[in-house]
Formats: sequence, C-alpha cells, structure tokens
Amino acid sequence: DTGVSQNPRHKITKRGQNVTFRCDPISEHNRLYWYRQTLGQGPEFLTYFQNEAQLEKSRLLSDRFSAERPKGSFSTLEIQRTEQGDSAMYLCASSPTRGSGELFFGEGSRLTVL
Amino acid sequence: QKEVEQDPGPLSVPEGAIVSLNCTYSNSAFQYFMWYRQYSRKGPELLMYTYSSGNKEDGRFTAQVDKSSKYISLFIRDSQPSDSATYLCAMSALVGDTGRRALTFGSGTRLQVQP
Repeated sequence: DTGVSQNPRHKITKRGQNVTFRCDPISEHNRLYWYRQTLGQGPEFLTYFQNEAQLEKSRLLSDRFSAERPKGSFSTLEIQRTEQGDSAMYLCASSPTRGSGELFFGEGSRLTVL
Repeated sequence: QKEVEQDPGPLSVPEGAIVSLNCTYSNSAFQYFMWYRQYSRKGPELLMYTYSSGNKEDGRFTAQVDKSSKYISLFIRDSQPSDSATYLCAMSALVGDTGRRALTFGSGTRLQVQP
C-alpha cells in the first residue's frame, strides 16, 4: 500500500499522560502536514514539514505539542500532559513539492482523553 | 466570519437523485478549489480539484467554480448509498515564504443517500 499510514488508529488515555502518534507519508512526497479535526468541523492546520525542516506551526500548536520528522521520512506528533480538550482526530497528510496544494490524508489517529 | 462557509446538513436524498453541495468563500487569494469525501472515522479522500472558473467533470461528479461570486459547487449525479459521507470543500492559497499552499477547509456537509 502506497498511501499515508498512521498509527495508532485510536488511543485512549488519561488526562495528564503523554501520547505519541506516528505518520508514514507517501514515499515520494517531501511535504508532510499534521491537522486536527473535531466532530462536525473540517481539519485545522497544525504544522508543516518540508523534508526534515519544520517550516510552519499554527498557533493551535501549544507548547505541549511537538512534532518531528527525522531524516525527512516518517513523522511523530507528541502531546504532553494531555487535556480533555485534546480529544480529536489527528490527521497526517503529505504532498509533492509542486502542485495545487492537494493533500493526501491518512486514516487518522483518534485521541480520547478521559 | 469564517473564510469558507459550508452548510453542515445533514442532507438526505433518495437513491438516484442529483445532489448539489456548495461552499462560499471570502478570500480572493484562493487559487485552487478541492472537494474531499470523508467516511465516518476515516481520513478525507480527495475527489476533485479545479483551478479556474468553470466546470470539471469526473464520472458522476462535476465540480463548478464561480470566482466572481466566490462560490463553488459539487454535483453528484445518480447518487448511490455508497456516496453517503461528509463532503468537505477546501481551498488553497500561497502563504508566507515557505512555498506552502495553505488549505482551508469548510466544516463539511453530511450526505445520506437513502436506498
């Protein structure tokens, strides 16, 4: 399968715990994005990588959130000291450098904070 | 006011009906216009994208863009129960100096096609 892969698909955690999500983009895409989606809303941009460089971070990304993309391949999104408001679907997407900006999304990682 | 407005629905139609989904936007910098389909608890799947005003057809789907009115539509002909999903419009514009085309999504319209 050559699509965007995310895991785990669902994570249930207690408030205050740390969680980490992993994303494997389409192999020939050097741009990688993280989005967050809550019920009844469209995805909201969190952060963007070109290769290993994190070029943009949304103001939605508080300092409890950190994303990395070592070696420009897979990426991880870590949330420290989770809060109930962090409960959402975390979507990873990738795109080629050139194009109209269309993104190819993974299946998402659903976070439930109890 | 949001940059992209989309009626959340739900929209319920009988099988075989023509479905019309719409979005309006306010940002003149948007250059590319896309429609994504999202099944429950799945990631969004790109259906179509267009650049200029006019129509673009792909099978049962037609995307229409009217830049002068800042209005885009997606038409689904001969709708099927398998089309039941949330449809998200999305629009992109260049931002900053990173070369990124930022994608702004509507909130999605939930469609239910009744057999």
